[in-house]
Amino acid sequence: EVQLVESGGGLVKPGGSLRLSCAASGFTFSNAWMSWVRQAPGKGLEWVGRIKSKTDGGTTDYAAPVKGRFTISRDDSKNTLYLQMNSLKTEDTAVYYCRASGYGPFDYWGQGTLVTVSS
Amino acid sequence: SYVLTQPPSVSVAPGKTARITCGGNNIGSKSVHWYQQKPGQAPVLVIYYDSDRPSGIPERFSGSNSGNTATLTISRVEAGDEADYYCQVWDSSSDQEVFGGGTKLTVL
Repeated sequence: EVQLVESGGGLVKPGGSLRLSCAASGFTFSNAWMSWVRQAPGKGLEWVGRIKSKTDGGTTDYAAPVKGRFTISRDDSKNTLYLQMNSLKTEDTAVYYCRASGYGPFDYWGQGTLVTVSS
Repeated sequence: SYVLTQPPSVSVAPGKTARITCGGNNIGSKSVHWYQQKPGQAPVLVIYYDSDRPSGIPERFSGSNSGNTATLTISRVEAGDEADYYCQVWDSSSDQEVFGGGTKLTVL
């Protein structure tokens, strides 16, 4: 059974930093393209960014609002995805979902972790 | 950047057909995926590559994509289909994934 479990969310002040983790199991993590998607309270889904598998280059892409502030990385030896968030703004407040994707219908999401940016 | 436009809400009676549209410039040239999200839950893929259904998704769910509009069609709507639905594409010109604003499906 595929499982994605996010952790690391919480309350942080504007300008602060936070690192989210996503522990994966039940599939070959190293082959998956991993991404982060967020959802502000009462709002729609917003793509944050993705990291390809190392086989496909391991490169990253980011949404414009987070580029330069957020960094996605992966540790295939630990089956874990990370999201380092710096210079946080109030508008970054959201539930952050980890997602694993691959060819066709391979698409799995975690249950999300809440990040609140407030003074 | 690429924009996907969805109606904020669609209402349908049980047993009828719901159609949720997703508009985008020449969206017919892209692969469209559709997600269902129920309150307090993570999104679930219901249609991928415009019209394919993952295993476990009822045949009542179907998709099409042509020109500037992609459509998610839910036949014989049930109360359990009430949810938010999002379309999604990959915009290769900006190397970014794009979600539509979401459509709340209400079953009357």
